[in-house]
Amino acid sequence: DAGVIQSPRHEVTEMGQEVTLRCKPISGHDYLFWYRQTMMRGLELLIYFNNNVPIDDSGMPEDRFSAKMPNASFSTLKIQPSEPRDSAVYFCASSLREFGYTFGSGTRLTVV
Amino acid sequence: QQQVKQSPQSLIVQKGGISIINCAYENTAFDYFPWYQQFPGKGPALLIAIRPDVSEKKEGRFTISFNKSAKQFSLHIMDSQPGDSATYFCAASSRGSTLGRLYFGRGTQLTVWP
Repeated sequence: DAGVIQSPRHEVTEMGQEVTLRCKPISGHDYLFWYRQTMMRGLELLIYFNNNVPIDDSGMPEDRFSAKMPNASFSTLKIQPSEPRDSAVYFCASSLREFGYTFGSGTRLTVV
Repeated sequence: QQQVKQSPQSLIVQKGGISIINCAYENTAFDYFPWYQQFPGKGPALLIAIRPDVSEKKEGRFTISFNKSAKQFSLHIMDSQPGDSATYFCAASSRGSTLGRLYFGRGTQLTVWP
């Protein structure tokens, strides 16, 4: 198994631009999580899905952030418009309920 | 509100020494306590986990100690090695809740000097 696959690994964009982060979870996992990691705030849960349905999006910072999971093998996190304070490492993780999370390698986002 | 409180924020240990990281929680419904290890440029990876029906779990040089009455658990790394230098996160979840959502501590950056 290739694990959780995230793309791109690095993204540099200008303030105001739209950014789309992508995630392919492990096949058969029924939960998918989006996290943001910064030095100041640590690991923050943004949103998570169960069987492709969003369960809790209370961690999404503002309306500029949106996430979708159109099928069991793909999810996106979109930021529109992006701002410098969105700069962080964004992780996707998937799990099969009774087992631990498997994280992807993350997307390092820099908004200039 | 931080559901899981982790300390210390950073830890420096000499090679061969014991590294100890502590976590505390308030929610008595938590019944699954994993530890994750994260190397620079990588995502966190599951290291070891414990359920509250045991007070200790050991895997190689890594041991989780669990104190249910105090609502505390800790990670002990015996014979610490430079390769153990990483950020460690404790976490907790309630399997009986709507799903396996984990609540993470803020992390401990461990540096092991050779």
